Amino acid sequence: RKEVEQDPGPFNVPEGATVAFNCTYSNSASQSFFWYRQDCRKEPKLLMSVYSSGNEDGRFTAQLNRASQYISLLIRDSKLSDSATYLCVGSGGGADGLTFGKGTHLIIQP
Amino acid sequence: GAVVSQHPSRVICKSGTSVKIECRSLDFQATTMFWYRQFPKQSLMLMATSNEGSKATYEQGVEKDKFLINHASLTLSTLTVTSAHPEDSSFYICSAPRGTETQYFGPGTRLLVL
Repeated sequence: RKEVEQDPGPFNVPEGATVAFNCTYSNSASQSFFWYRQDCRKEPKLLMSVYSSGNEDGRFTAQLNRASQYISLLIRDSKLSDSATYLCVGSGGGADGLTFGKGTHLIIQP
Repeated sequence: GAVVSQHPSRVICKSGTSVKIECRSLDFQATTMFWYRQFPKQSLMLMATSNEGSKATYEQGVEKDKFLINHASLTLSTLTVTSAHPEDSSFYICSAPRGTETQYFGPGTRLLVL
């Protein structure tokens, strides 16, 4: 059974702080991983892909640990606009459907 | 700009009626599209894989006779919720992979069955 587990939160974080999310996956055959962001009542949008070598995009850093089947997302210097639900997503690759975690709700407070 | 469109964005219908939702890939062809459903405060759950030119494949627990999928062309997949009931009220989202990139999601269709 494919599963991706996340702490649902909410994480209440002051603006400017650094926040980290983790997720674990149970399907060792999963090939690709992503972090998606979903705003309230909207479709999910790709935030970044996750690689074993780490992936950094501005204030966001994602990391994959295949040995521990663990994925992380780090947000530095958080902004009010970062408030959203962050979905950890796994894929068998290519044209496979995606397996979503339940999401971690982040609230950045002024 | 959007790469996948969905129509309608919102629909309210009476119990027992059927509702058709369209998913279109814009500026690219998609031999495969995916349909997801998201209940409030829940994760997106894959319902089925829509395959152009062949039958859709459904995830365990999803009734194929209730959720009819037709992949009519390389840019269009439709999901028809037949004989809709209040428990079918949900947010339905389609996605399509573009080349080797990850998937692009439509804006979703919010269905409310009274």
